Amino acid sequence: DVKVTQSSRYLVKRTGEKVFLECVQDMDHENMFWYRQDPGLGLRLIYFSYDVKMKEKGDIPEGYSVSREKKERFSLILESASTNQTSMYLCASSLRGRTDNEQFFGPGTRLTVL
Amino acid sequence: ILNVEQSPQSLHVQEGDSTNFTCSFPSSNFYALHWYRWETAKSPEALFVMTLNGDEKKKGRISATLNTKEGYSYLYIKGSQPEDSATYLCASHPYNNNDMRFGAGTRLTVKP
Repeated sequence: DVKVTQSSRYLVKRTGEKVFLECVQDMDHENMFWYRQDPGLGLRLIYFSYDVKMKEKGDIPEGYSVSREKKERFSLILESASTNQTSMYLCASSLRGRTDNEQFFGPGTRLTVL
Repeated sequence: ILNVEQSPQSLHVQEGDSTNFTCSFPSSNFYALHWYRWETAKSPEALFVMTLNGDEKKKGRISATLNTKEGYSYLYIKGSQPEDSATYLCASHPYNNNDMRFGAGTRLTVKP
């Protein structure tokens, strides 16, 4: 059974804290993605990575950074958390070369920044 | 930025009712349309991927159609059951591009 796991289901942090969200996939996928989902909005892409040590900005990268040191792991970093980063964060992965681009998702991390 | 729109935003139906909802997407440079089901506390899981105009896919009581010329897809659920309660997401992506665009989802609640 293929899996994408995220380090926490729920997280509460204070404004200004550095926050790490971890994502691990066991499918040997090249592509990995970080999205956030807010009420009334679709999943919005923050960053994605096509390979180890590679990263590309998505639509809303401001206030975030990412790290991909190993193929199976993609980390999202909030350098200094702010209340407007309270959201549901979803990680996904997909196989390069799969033309239908199906993405496999983790269960999400609900982050609250106080 | 491509806009993918879904309607309605939420839907409450009785068990046994049939229902449908809509996803509209930009038809230019279209390549594929995805439907995902996202149950509370679980990961979104893929239902269908459709690429061809006129495509129709079916999985049990759930089916979907695709019109790429006018840029819409319908998802149908026949005889809704409480376990169908979830948020249904659609996403489109253009040709030869990994850039998926998601709609905001339709939240379906099926009452026993």
